[in-house]
Amino acid sequence: GESVGLHLPTLSVQEGDNSIINCAYSNSASDYFIWYKQESGKGPQFIIDIRSNMDKRQGQRVTVLLNKTVKHLSLQIAATQPGDSAVYFCAGGNQAGTALIFGKGTTLSVSS
Amino acid sequence: EAGVAQSPRYKIIEKRQSVAFWCNPISGHATLYWYQQILGQGPKLLIQFQNNGVVDDSQLPKDRFSAERLKGVDSTLKIQPAKLEDSAVYLCASSLHLAGGLGGYNEQFFGPGTRLTVL
Repeated sequence: GESVGLHLPTLSVQEGDNSIINCAYSNSASDYFIWYKQESGKGPQFIIDIRSNMDKRQGQRVTVLLNKTVKHLSLQIAATQPGDSAVYFCAGGNQAGTALIFGKGTTLSVSS
Repeated sequence: EAGVAQSPRYKIIEKRQSVAFWCNPISGHATLYWYQQILGQGPKLLIQFQNNGVVDDSQLPKDRFSAERLKGVDSTLKIQPAKLEDSAVYLCASSLHLAGGLGGYNEQFFGPGTRLTVL
């Protein structure tokens, strides 16, 4: 069935390092993918999205890569800061308007 | 602009009791979603409204969960009776249009959630 999952439940990095968070998906029908950041006690916050016809998209300090051949996407955070510490989720959606399907999340811990 | 509002923020009840959550979406947002987020997992959709109509409630446990959005603005989610496994954070989100309905992604804005503990 449909699923969107992340490879690792936790990732610890030093401040200033680059972080890479990975996600594998099984539903080839997804038209777009979104990365969300969720801080403790808050709802998920949109970071960046990518359409399925793209393989790379850049934002401010973040880059999302999509590899449809192996059904994998990643979120790269440059110069990771303590404020980036949170749980990161990938989610898949389609233009038919059906619900987003979220993976389980990766907890990013940034130490100074 | 004001974000998605939810209340209460926390609720503790005993099993078999009833509970209700309230959500006020961003003004003008036609689509409203209720998600359940169990500890350590990603959010899972319970129900999706377009204005006051239900778009998707396929994952809503209808024997105990109900939701309404009578005037197409705010919404309530009810659990009656609650079970231990209902302990979770209940997130409300809204988007301007139905996700992807205009040929692209319509960002969903999430509220802070209601943390429910069933004892």
